[in-house]
Amino acid sequence: DGGITQSPKYLFRKEGQNVTLSCEQNLNHDAMYWYRQDPGQGLRLIYYSQIVNDFQKGDIAEGYSVSREKKESFPLTVTSAQKNPTAFYLCASSQRVLAYNEQFFGPGTRLTVL
Amino acid sequence: GQQVMQIPQYQHVQEGEDFTTYCNSSTTLSNIQWYKQRPGGHPVFLIQLVKSGEVKKQKRLTFQFGEAKKNSSLHITATQTTDVGTYFCAAMNRDDKIIFGKGTRLHILP
Repeated sequence: DGGITQSPKYLFRKEGQNVTLSCEQNLNHDAMYWYRQDPGQGLRLIYYSQIVNDFQKGDIAEGYSVSREKKESFPLTVTSAQKNPTAFYLCASSQRVLAYNEQFFGPGTRLTVL
Repeated sequence: GQQVMQIPQYQHVQEGEDFTTYCNSSTTLSNIQWYKQRPGGHPVFLIQLVKSGEVKKQKRLTFQFGEAKKNSSLHITATQTTDVGTYFCAAMNRDDKIIFGKGTRLHILP
């Protein structure tokens, strides 16, 4: 089955700790994205990557970091510098970054920082 | 930056009634995409519109792209409980990246 997996589904961390969210896809897509979703805010782009070893900041990149060492994987690290990290995080992929390509979303990770 | 505005933010309808959500932009859009997110789920792509005045149908769902390519609508005829969720529009900005509206949350009253 082709798709995108995110793990874990729920994640709890203490304030001040860095945490890494996993995202893997087997769709052979070049582009991958990370979004943050808060109630009433829609989807806000954190980072995106067009190709291996390349990534670009989105609208709310501060306090986050990513890597793209493999085509299939695009992990997101929520650092202690992120002031309000509790949110629902969605990973997505598409064939290309160009917006004419539909995006396929993973099931999401709900992060709660205590 | 460029934004797409969605209205209404929330909509409650009786089962069997129709529902419409609107997506508006102050600038001309290259395309518009619509996604549905069920409660507790993730967004799923529904459709893409590219041409001015384009109308596409998927069973009880009708999607329209305005003649000026500045607005779009999603209309659901005779809503069912399976239609519950949040509907997002998304469009390409000047940097050729997708930007999402804030969504319209549809609640169906039995």
